[in-house]
Amino acid sequence: QKEVEQNSGPLSVPEGAIASLNCTYSDRGSQSFFWYRQYSGKSPELIMFIYSNGDKEDGRFTAQLNKASQYVSLLIRDSQPSDSATYLCAVDRNAGGTSYGKLTFGQGTILTVHP
Amino acid sequence: NAGVTQTPKFQVLKTGQSMTLQCAQDMNHNSMYWYRQDPGMGLRLIYYSASEGTTDKGEVPNGYNVSRLNKREFSLRLESAAPSQTSVYFCASGNRGNQPQHFGDGTRLSIL
Repeated sequence: QKEVEQNSGPLSVPEGAIASLNCTYSDRGSQSFFWYRQYSGKSPELIMFIYSNGDKEDGRFTAQLNKASQYVSLLIRDSQPSDSATYLCAVDRNAGGTSYGKLTFGQGTILTVHP
Repeated sequence: NAGVTQTPKFQVLKTGQSMTLQCAQDMNHNSMYWYRQDPGMGLRLIYYSASEGTTDKGEVPNGYNVSRLNKREFSLRLESAAPSQTSVYFCASGNRGNQPQHFGDGTRLSIL
């Protein structure tokens, strides 16, 4: 089992729909979770981060964390063509209670929003 | 507002050559990181520096060395480049271990 695994994609949604991106992780001690967006040929750009169970909303984006199920998701409401990109889930395992920011990334999910 | 600056942006090397990738950040972050990104594999941590004066291995350190020159600068060196090191290299910085990391624009490295 991969340490961080994302739904394989590619994911295609119509403009205006909700895009749902999912990520599971294997280390139950993980504490911090990040979603990055990466356009083709560009660097990763932070979208959301979440540390506590539940939902965290920022504009059209909602991150959801369930530590018991070892699951984190990103919902994009009212999807726009400009949201078309690769979305990367990253997990900070916070080994031994000290976090050095050693992120483990999933392989990414390609999202296409079509008009 | 430069953020994280990487040089060079592109480089082609021959097998066995050496080179150093440079990274500088102006956000006063304590921690800095080097990742490589290969198709279909996400980003993998090569080395990191939790604070000035310290460095440690990440997931894929073999074939690389790093230097944390000061709080701003963190370089990655390939002593004897191999075709398997063809990749896109990203430098990142963050203020604390569990705080979001900010990435540079990347260096696209090809080794023939």
